[in-house]
Amino acid sequence: SQELEQSPQSLIVQEGKNLTINCTSSKTLYGLYWYKQKYGEGLIFLMMLQKGGEEKSHEKITAKLDEKKQQSSLHITASQPSHAGIYLCGADGGGTSYGKLTFGQGTILTVHP
Amino acid sequence: DSGVTQTPKHLITATGQRVTLRCSPRSGDLSVYWYQQSLDQGLQFLIQYYNGEERAKGNILERFSAQQFPDLHSELNLSSLELGDSALYFCASSVDPGGLQKDTQYFGPGTRLTVL
Repeated sequence: SQELEQSPQSLIVQEGKNLTINCTSSKTLYGLYWYKQKYGEGLIFLMMLQKGGEEKSHEKITAKLDEKKQQSSLHITASQPSHAGIYLCGADGGGTSYGKLTFGQGTILTVHP
Repeated sequence: DSGVTQTPKHLITATGQRVTLRCSPRSGDLSVYWYQQSLDQGLQFLIQYYNGEERAKGNILERFSAQQFPDLHSELNLSSLELGDSALYFCASSVDPGGLQKDTQYFGPGTRLTVL
């Protein structure tokens, strides 16, 4: 079965700093999803990556999928307190696993004003 | 607001009891997914329905069952509850069943189940 490992597990930054969260898969990624979650609340969809080398941006958040499709990164530029939360990467395993998402353990981001 | 609704928001019950969690997908979405999130296991896929039929199964216990009704809402039934079943239960929905055409899953706010 596919496993996703996120690093770091937690991150504390000062407002205005840039940061990167990584997500590494044990198998090829057919679809990689990034979500943000406030503690105890639902997941908010951020971005989906599918092709090797693909990069997407939304406001100050950029996500990339490497060429080999086994690692993704999420980069936040000039962080703000509103970026605080838990970031989760989820992967579609492909084949008969289509639709079923496997998630990493999450990265807890704290942004100090 | 994702457009996915879940009720109830909180549920407190005793061991051995049975509960039903309800989910209404986004308008137009045919696929419903159930996930369980706990501190020790993280976010785990339980089961998927597409247009009323079971599509995929994850690590769902035999004490748990689900169904999707003709109006596309779904219910997750949890029976013979144990302390370890305490968790956040999420429902997500998407237009397609999942496949070559990647489709985003939109999550509801969750139901927090506490088993005492």
